[in-house]
Amino acid sequence: DVKVTQSSRYLVKRTGEKVFLECVQDMDHENMFWYRQDPGLGLRLIYFSYDVKMKEKGDIPEGYSVSREKKERFSLILESASTNQTSMYLCASSSRLAGKQYFGPGTRLTVT
Amino acid sequence: TQLLEQSPQFLSIQEGENLTVYCNSSSVFSSLQWYRQEPGEGPVLLVTVVTGGEVKKLKRLTFQFGDARKDSSLHITAAQPGDTGLYLCAGAAGSARQLTFGSGTQLTVLP
Repeated sequence: DVKVTQSSRYLVKRTGEKVFLECVQDMDHENMFWYRQDPGLGLRLIYFSYDVKMKEKGDIPEGYSVSREKKERFSLILESASTNQTSMYLCASSSRLAGKQYFGPGTRLTVT
Repeated sequence: TQLLEQSPQFLSIQEGENLTVYCNSSSVFSSLQWYRQEPGEGPVLLVTVVTGGEVKKLKRLTFQFGDARKDSSLHITAAQPGDTGLYLCAGAAGSARQLTFGSGTQLTVLP
C-alpha cells in the first residue's frame, strides 16, 4: 500500500519559532509538493521539488523554505512562524510523468 | 496563475437526492482531476479526464470534461451519507508537473 507520511498531525508553535514539517514517501516518486489548505481557498502550492536538491517556488512561497536531501523526504521550514501561517499543511508526491498525486494526512499547525 | 472556480462552495442534501458540482476556468487544461477529501485525511484521487467531451463513470458518480477543456462537472446520483466530503477539482496545464486546485465543494449528505 503506497504511503505518504507527515511527521505530525497537530502542532502548536509560538510566533517567531522555527518550525520543521517533514514528509516521507515510499513510492520512489520524483515529484514532491507542499500545499497549505485554508477554508474557501482550496489547496495552494507553496513549493515543489522534481528531484533531489531541486526546488521550485509555487504560488505562495513567502515565509517558507524547503529542503530535499533524499528522494523520499521533503521538508517544509518556517524560519520564523507567524500567526498568519496557522493552517493545514499537506504534502503530496507523484511520479515523473503521472499527474496523480498521493497525499499525506496533513499537519494542522497553530501559531500563537 | 490559472484559476479554477468551483460551485457551489457548500451543499447539504438529503440521502437519495441528485447533485452536480461545477469546476470552471478561463484557461485550457490538458487534464482535469477530481479528488475527495474526508475529515482528517488528505485528498484521494477519484478520476482523471483528459479528452474534451470525455465522460467517465464511477458507480453513482459521473464526471464530464468540457469540450474546450476549460470546465468539468461531477454529478452524483442518489447521494448517500458516505459521499459526504470535500470535493476538489484540479487542472494540469501542458506538461507541467503541478496542479491548480479549485476552492472545493463541501458536500454533506443527511440520512
